[in-house]
Amino acid sequence: DTGVSQNPRHKITKRGQNVTFRCDPISEHNRLYWYRQTLGQGPEFLTYFQNEAQLEKSRLLSDRFSAERPKGSFSTLEIQRTEQGDSAMYLCASSFLELAGAFSYEQYFGPGTRLTVT
Amino acid sequence: QQQVKQSPQSLIVQKGGISIINCAYENTAFDYFPWYQQFPGKGPALLIAIRPDVSEKKEGRFTISFNKSAKQFSLHIMDSQPGDSATYFCAAIRTVGRAQKLVFGQGTRLTINP
Repeated sequence: DTGVSQNPRHKITKRGQNVTFRCDPISEHNRLYWYRQTLGQGPEFLTYFQNEAQLEKSRLLSDRFSAERPKGSFSTLEIQRTEQGDSAMYLCASSFLELAGAFSYEQYFGPGTRLTVT
Repeated sequence: QQQVKQSPQSLIVQKGGISIINCAYENTAFDYFPWYQQFPGKGPALLIAIRPDVSEKKEGRFTISFNKSAKQFSLHIMDSQPGDSATYFCAAIRTVGRAQKLVFGQGTRLTINP
């Protein structure tokens, strides 16, 4: 399977604990995005990387959230001191920016990590 | 502030019928409009997409109609099948510098009755 993969698929944690999620994008994709989706809503943009550089962060990404993509391949999203309001599906997507400047608009999503904070 | 408004919230269609989902946007800077299909417990899957200089795009049973002047676009699913039952999201992409920001509508839960 050459699609976007995310691990773990489900995570249950107690309030105040730290959690870390991993995303492996499609191998040739150089752009990686994180979104958050709450029940009954569309995904909301959190942050995105081009290669290893984090180019934009949403206001939704509080100081407790940090994302990395150290080698321009997989990415991690860490939430510190989790709160019940952090319960959501965290989605990762990837796309490909061509070196010539043209780019693909299509973003391909992984299956998500469902976080439940008790 | 909802940048992309989607309706209806839920839709029930008989097998073989036409499912129609509508979206409207405000920001004329959006330059690409994809539709995503999402099954429970899965991530959104790209279904079909259109650029604003095209009024219609068809792929199999799925058609996007785009009205640039009205800032509206819609998804039509012809000959709807029970396997089409899912949540559908319209979206819009705005390119800012090298950043592409994807904004989703609220979603439509589609049920196709056999």
